[in-house]
Parts: sequence; structure tokens; C-alpha cells
Amino acid sequence: AQKVTQAQTEISVVEKEDVTLDCVYETRDTTYYLFWYKQPPSGELVFLIRRNSFDEQNEISGRYSWNFQKSTSSFNFTITASQVVDSAVYFCALSEETSGSRLTFGEGTQLTVNP
Amino acid sequence: EPEVTQTPSHQVTQMGQEVILRCVPISNHLYFYWYRQILGQKVEFLVSFYNNEISEKSEIFDDQFSVERPDGSNFTLKIRSTKLEDSAMYFCASKGGRRYTGELFFGEGSRLTVL
Repeated sequence: AQKVTQAQTEISVVEKEDVTLDCVYETRDTTYYLFWYKQPPSGELVFLIRRNSFDEQNEISGRYSWNFQKSTSSFNFTITASQVVDSAVYFCALSEETSGSRLTFGEGTQLTVNP
Repeated sequence: EPEVTQTPSHQVTQMGQEVILRCVPISNHLYFYWYRQILGQKVEFLVSFYNNEISEKSEIFDDQFSVERPDGSNFTLKIRSTKLEDSAMYFCASKGGRRYTGELFFGEGSRLTVL
């Protein structure tokens, strides 16, 4: 069975600090996909990144970077030089090939960036 | 940029009433989903739909729920007899491409309040 754990329920930082959101997953599949979504206060879910299990390259997109490590079943997300607009709930999610295309979400991490 | 649209944005209903939530997925997408998020909790999979039939459903998606794609553009979720615990944000999502790959694009959600 697939499972996603985001141990950090809430994180509060001051603007311009770097912050890392942790995500640990469990799966028996060798083929799977990992995602991060952002949910701002307005409530919608905004796609940030997708990673497949065969691609362990880290990725950087502007101030965002992702560290995928299969050895520790982790897919952590770092925001560099955080801004107030980064305040949101961030969800990590997993999709296994054998369980179809359903996404299993973690509990989410509420990030608050204070000015 | 194409987007998933949902109506209504907020619906208040009495317990026992039928509710229909509507979604217009992105036009060239083939896979459609409903997810639910109870306030303050994680996002949970309800059902996926492909080729005019349900491809997967979760244990939450019991006989009170049904989905339909009545006219090739709309994708609806019906709750036959609402219960208090159905109060949640309901997200529609769609996906193009192959079943096991690609990101889901979510709508802005429909908040259902059952009194």
C-alpha cells in the first residue's frame, strides 16, 4: 500500500530564510511518481513538480529545488530566500503504476513566511 | 492557459438533500477525477473516470456517490443523500497523456457545507 508522510505539520520562517519541507513515502512498486502541490489560502491546488522513480536527478526551478533520494524514500522540497507569497499548505503526493493513476497525498505542511 | 473549472464554488445544503457538483475539465484531457478535502485534512481520492466509465474508486466512494460525463464536456459528481460528514472541499481534476504519467490539473474546488 502506498503512503506519504509529511512529518512537519507547520513551519514558520522569516522572509528570505531558506526552508525545506520533508516528504517520506512508502511503496512496493518499482515504478511510481512523486508530486508536490501548493495550496494557497484561496484553496486551489497548484501543481509544482512531478518526478518518476527512475529519475533521481535533483531539480531546480527558480527559488524551488527538489531532492529525490530513493535510498531514504524521500522527496524533499526546498524554497530558497522565502517570500511572504510562499505562505501556503504544501502537499507531497505519490502515484503507483500498479494502483492506477490515483494520487495519495501526505497530510500537508503549512508554511508561514513572516515579513 | 487552459484550466479546470468547477461550479458552484460554494454550496450549502440540508442533510438528506441531493447535490450535484459540476466540472469542466481541460478540453483535450482524457482522465477525470474527483478528490475530497475535509477542512484541515489531507486531500483524498474519490474516483477516476476514463472512456465513459469509472476506472477506480476509493472506499469513500460508496453508493451515495455517482459520476457522469453527460455531454462530453461536463463531468459531474452527485451525492444522493448528503450527510453531515460530506461537508468538504471537492476538487475535480483532469489529466492528458498516458494513464500512469503526467500531472493532474485541479480545479479551484467546490466547498460543500451540509447542515
